[in-house]
Amino acid sequence: NAGVTQTPKFRILKIGQSMTLQCTQDMNHNYMYWYRQDPGMGLKLIYYSVGAGITDKGEVPNGYNVSRSTTEDFPLRLELAAPSQTSVYFCASNKQGIGNSPLHFGNGTRLTVT
Amino acid sequence: GENVEQHPSTLSVQEGDSAVIKCTYSDSASNYFPWYKQELGKRPQLIIDIRSNVGEKKDQRIAVTLNKTAKHFSLHITETQPEDSAVYFCAADNAGNMLTFGGGTRLMVKP
Repeated sequence: NAGVTQTPKFRILKIGQSMTLQCTQDMNHNYMYWYRQDPGMGLKLIYYSVGAGITDKGEVPNGYNVSRSTTEDFPLRLELAAPSQTSVYFCASNKQGIGNSPLHFGNGTRLTVT
Repeated sequence: GENVEQHPSTLSVQEGDSAVIKCTYSDSASNYFPWYKQELGKRPQLIIDIRSNVGEKKDQRIAVTLNKTAKHFSLHITETQPEDSAVYFCAADNAGNMLTFGGGTRLMVKP
């Protein structure tokens, strides 16, 4: 199993541009999450999904959108990128939700907005 | 919502000494408390977790203790080694499928 795969690894955006961060997992996990990690800080939940067709907001959803059309994929969309969205983005998944099975993280996408 | 405070933000120990990192949480309904280790430029990795029905859990040189009454939990690393150097994050679950993370502790183990 490849686990959780994120692309791209790095990206530089200009203010106002948009992009999609890709996340796919091959473990047949129902639950998927997007976190952001600002420099020297902990992770904050952006959005999560408990299964295909279902998404919910986390702590910091503003400026982002997600979709979950398949079990495997959970892309994160940034519209109108802002410098405040400069961060490292981690996608994660687990089988049965928080507290019931361990989180598996991807390697992250480092995004800079200038 | 849940608020998780973590202390200290940096911790420097000599190889072989013990290291203790402490976290407090605000939501008395939280039941799941994992600890993650993150090496520089890498993904967070779960090292140990504890649930609210258990007061202590050990895994070789790592242990976690939980005091639900006081709403705090701690990570203990004994016989530290240079490869333990990393940033450690505590977290607590809250309403829905969310984990709230602490701000992290940078542990430096000096050989």
